[in-house]
Amino acid sequence: ETGVTQTPRHLVMGMTNKKSLKCEQHLGHNAMYWYKQSAKKPLELMFVYNFKEQTENNSVPSRFSPECPNSSHLFLHLHTLQPEDSALYLCASSPTTSGGAWEEQFFGPGTRLTVL
Amino acid sequence: KQEVTQIPAALSVPEGENLVLNCSFTDSAIYNLQWFRQDPGKGLTSLLLIQSSQREQTSGRLNASLDKSSGRSTLYIAASQPGDSATYLCAVRGAQKLVFGQGTRLTINP
Repeated sequence: ETGVTQTPRHLVMGMTNKKSLKCEQHLGHNAMYWYKQSAKKPLELMFVYNFKEQTENNSVPSRFSPECPNSSHLFLHLHTLQPEDSALYLCASSPTTSGGAWEEQFFGPGTRLTVL
Repeated sequence: KQEVTQIPAALSVPEGENLVLNCSFTDSAIYNLQWFRQDPGKGLTSLLLIQSSQREQTSGRLNASLDKSSGRSTLYIAASQPGDSATYLCAVRGAQKLVFGQGTRLTINP
């Protein structure tokens, strides 16, 4: 496996379900990100982790719970979601979040989530 | 708060044409600007990254320019091909965040 992988690629869940999205990066990076892409809206940053520590939560509702057990893996735990949470969820990684000029983010293919 | 705008929202051109996609941003205090390509229902593929100290970057038929003082970037695509059809996203990086525009949906007609 190379680059950034995400599983599952598609997920349909009811509002009372609990599910998790998984992201894994094989690039040796130390920073990982969750983004949400809804129809007709720009990509929105949700969470940022740097060296396993959460450094940013962009006012995301608590029904989304991230977990970063190590620098290579990032999870997004979902519970009691709403239909408006249906979107493409993208994971990305970069060497760090230090703000250095040479940082480039690499994205996974995304998980298409549908909440019924 | 940084805002990124991409014009036009959609563009349809015949194959073989040269074209320009535009991106503007409101806060010039950026580290870099990145152009991505996104195919329908798929993730993002990085095309070009321009550092704040650079004026342009080139990769094959793609050329991206950056004018930080005026808050503008352009992506030039030469000799367009049907395979270039996709949504092109511009994103600027300040502090930790990458702020995205809404994209330009490009269709190249054979």
